[in-house]
Amino acid sequence: ETGVTQSPTHLIKTRGQQVTLRCSSQSGHNTVSWYQQALGQGPQFIFQYYREEENGRGNFPPRFSGLQFPNYSSELNVNALELDDSALYLCASTIAGHSTDTQYFGPGTRLTVL
Amino acid sequence: QQQVKQSPQSLIVQKGGISIINCAYENTAFDYFPWYQQFPGKGPALLIAIRPDVSEKKEGRFTISFNKSAKQFSLHIMDSQPGDSATYFCAASTNDYKLSFGAGTTVTVRA
Repeated sequence: ETGVTQSPTHLIKTRGQQVTLRCSSQSGHNTVSWYQQALGQGPQFIFQYYREEENGRGNFPPRFSGLQFPNYSSELNVNALELDDSALYLCASTIAGHSTDTQYFGPGTRLTVL
Repeated sequence: QQQVKQSPQSLIVQKGGISIINCAYENTAFDYFPWYQQFPGKGPALLIAIRPDVSEKKEGRFTISFNKSAKQFSLHIMDSQPGDSATYFCAASTNDYKLSFGAGTTVTVRA
């Protein structure tokens, strides 16, 4: 186990709705990244948070937003859901500046948009 | 555009055989190249990683070969076992922990 948990495991929403996904990182992990993994594809970088500030964003629109909290948890919010948002959403955490580059992934949240 | 290209899309190998997965990248600023293993319903798990200052790294049955001039790296799985059946992703990043993943290779090991 990686010590990174995500909730919920599965979620079904309808087009136009809003969703919040949650991630709990290991204690001390000051950097969390979120990825979207469509079926049969590799994960795509959405954005990263470092010490509660956004620290880079991939090619995703502003309706994808996030938060990182002091207790090493974080959220991914998606507004105005579209059918193409159906995917596995993964969070990954690490300690920036540490001797290791290992990022620990959670099990993901499977989002289905109908 | 996809920054890391991975092949093959899938492969089948007999138990005890060798699985080879190849990746190529474009961004010469990449300096960290991990391989992840993912089972159905699970998140990716780090298998092995390499930096460009070495050409090969071996951990158990898993070996990464790295060719900086060709901007290519590969994963070799020796003595493949049925438990190795999974999807494997290569990835690359600079020192910012923002991974660019390949499209994945589904490996099936036949007993």
